[in-house]
Amino acid sequence: DGGITQSPKYLFRKEGQNVTLSCEQNLNHDAMYWYRQDPGQGLRLIYYSQIVNDFQKGDIAEGYSVSREKKESFPLTVTSAQKNPTAFYLCASNMQGGAGELFFGEGSRLTVL
Amino acid sequence: AQSVTQPDIHITVSEGASLELRCNYSYGATPYLFWYVQSPGQGLQLLLKYFSGDTLVQGIKGFEAEFKRSQSSFNLRKPSVHWSDAAEYFCAVGAGSSSNTGKLIFGQGTTLQVKP
Repeated sequence: DGGITQSPKYLFRKEGQNVTLSCEQNLNHDAMYWYRQDPGQGLRLIYYSQIVNDFQKGDIAEGYSVSREKKESFPLTVTSAQKNPTAFYLCASNMQGGAGELFFGEGSRLTVL
Repeated sequence: AQSVTQPDIHITVSEGASLELRCNYSYGATPYLFWYVQSPGQGLQLLLKYFSGDTLVQGIKGFEAEFKRSQSSFNLRKPSVHWSDAAEYFCAVGAGSSSNTGKLIFGQGTTLQVKP
């Protein structure tokens, strides 16, 4: 079945450590997105990519980095510079980077100890 | 700037009762509008979307929503709520032009609790 796979589902890290969240899609979508979800704040866009080897900052990119070396993959690194990294992270994709429906993964919950 | 407001953070309804979740948006051009549902610890699932045409749109699980341009609203309704509808609901708006980036702006979410 086509879809978006995020891993790991749960992740714990110590302060000062970088961590990478994986996002893989087999929907043949051009565009991919990373959102951060905190209680009562909805979803906020971290980074997005409309094409391989290109990506743009979203509204809360500080302390995060991404790469888009393959169409299917869009990993997110939460760096030690991110001051409050504990959150639920959602990866999404859609066709052509247009205003079409977003398809979401199941999410990854990061907890900093 | 684009924005989405869901005025109700938390709503409780009895099973079998009707439901209306409110959504107001701010956007200068023709918006694309969406409602998503999220179960705890899960990703988001699309309930319905409005791009153009009939302002009353039908979605999955018996949900519908009505686009009212004059009120900048896109409220979600269901005539009879089931216990399995308990979840968090998000309204979202996307730009309606070819030059957009495909980003969606999400509201803060409304948590629905269903009483037996």
